[in-house]
Amino acid sequence: DAGVIQSPRHEVTEMGQEVTLRCKPISGHNSLFWYRQTMMRGLELLIYFNNNVPIDDSGMPEDRFSAKMPNASFSTLKIQPSEPRDSAVYFCASSLRTSGSPNNEQFFGPGTRLTVL
Amino acid sequence: DQQVKQNSPSLSVQEGRISILNCDYTNSMFDYFLWYKKYPAEGPTFLISISSIKDKNEDGRFTVFLNKSAKHLSLHIVPSQPGDSAVYFCAARAGSARQLTFGSGTQLTVLP
Repeated sequence: DAGVIQSPRHEVTEMGQEVTLRCKPISGHNSLFWYRQTMMRGLELLIYFNNNVPIDDSGMPEDRFSAKMPNASFSTLKIQPSEPRDSAVYFCASSLRTSGSPNNEQFFGPGTRLTVL
Repeated sequence: DQQVKQNSPSLSVQEGRISILNCDYTNSMFDYFLWYKKYPAEGPTFLISISSIKDKNEDGRFTVFLNKSAKHLSLHIVPSQPGDSAVYFCAARAGSARQLTFGSGTQLTVLP
């Protein structure tokens, strides 16, 4: 299994530009999570999906952030317009949660390092 | 308000000695706890977990202790090895919730 795949690995953009981060979860997993890691706040959950449906987006910092999961094998996190304070590493993670295994671990992708100038 | 706190941003330990990483939480609904390890330029990887029905879980060199009354858990690594040098994140989950709440991480450096 290739694990969780994220693209791009690095993104440098200018303030005001639109940024789209992509994630392919592990095949068969039914939950997908977007996290942001910064020095100040550590690892924060932004949003998560269950069976492609957004369940909790309370971690999304503001309306400039949006996430979609059009199918079970693909999700995007979009920032429009981007700002310098959005600079961080963004992680995608997936898990398979069943009634028989409620505490399955999350598998993380390698992350996308975003720099907004 | 951080519900999961790792108050030590860094820790240095000599190879062969014990590493103890600490984590405190405030949400009494948390009943499942995990530790993740993260190397530079990689995503976090799962290390060990513990349910609130236990107070200790051991996996090789790694042991996690849970003190529910103090809302405190710790990760012990013994003996520590240079390859253990990484950032360690504590995470917690409440009941049937799918999302994890993470601490800010502790950078462990094991000196040869």
